[in-house]
Amino acid sequence: DIQMTQSPSSLSASVGDRVTITCRASQSISNYLMWYQQTAGKAPKLLIYDTSSLQRGVPSRFSGSGSGTDFTLTISGLQPEDFVTYYCQQSHRTPWTFGQGTKVEI
Amino acid sequence: QITLKESGPTLVKPTETLTLTCSFSGFSLSTSGVGVGWIRQPPGKALEWLGFIFWDDDKRYSPSLKSRLTITKDISKDQVVLRMTDMDPVDTATYYCAHSSDFWSGLLDYWGQGTLVTVSS
Repeated sequence: DIQMTQSPSSLSASVGDRVTITCRASQSISNYLMWYQQTAGKAPKLLIYDTSSLQRGVPSRFSGSGSGTDFTLTISGLQPEDFVTYYCQQSHRTPWTFGQGTKVEI
Repeated sequence: QITLKESGPTLVKPTETLTLTCSFSGFSLSTSGVGVGWIRQPPGKALEWLGFIFWDDDKRYSPSLKSRLTITKDISKDQVVLRMTDMDPVDTATYYCAHSSDFWSGLLDYWGQGTLVTVSS
């Protein structure tokens, strides 16, 4: 299985901050990298697919970059509703695997 | 409008078999590239991909659970069924079904609300 390692596991920030979350794959996954946002008690929501493509309806303050094994999710100008948990997911090979999550806290 | 909804027991006993149904609408599982599958999340923990079934009846499973999992589809009913044998308390989790519109991309663009399954005697 391809292992996905996210860092940090949690971070503290303030409204308006710019934050970056990193995801590293145990082997090259080309650009087959997705980012999801999950509010406690709810299903995950797709934010970004194929490393950098914004899912329809997702605010432009979310952006993604990277290739190969190293990827980042950047949130430019944190809003109150952004203080939740984020997961990366690779789809280069099955089993598709997720990172362990990053919780963004105030 | 694509929707998915999981249904099944909320409590199962150890060693029993879990059967969950994902009922969906707004798309056809006969459309090229489309898949429906299962992801679970133990309380307070990360997401774990279990397996998927695709439009061409290709099935992919997590290797660590493959011996216990079966995923099937019923096109006429717009349903996908997960069967997991020999349940254990460590399998306690919220089970989600999810839609992938593009097998080659692997994105999970629609999710059900999830159903919490507790394994306890």
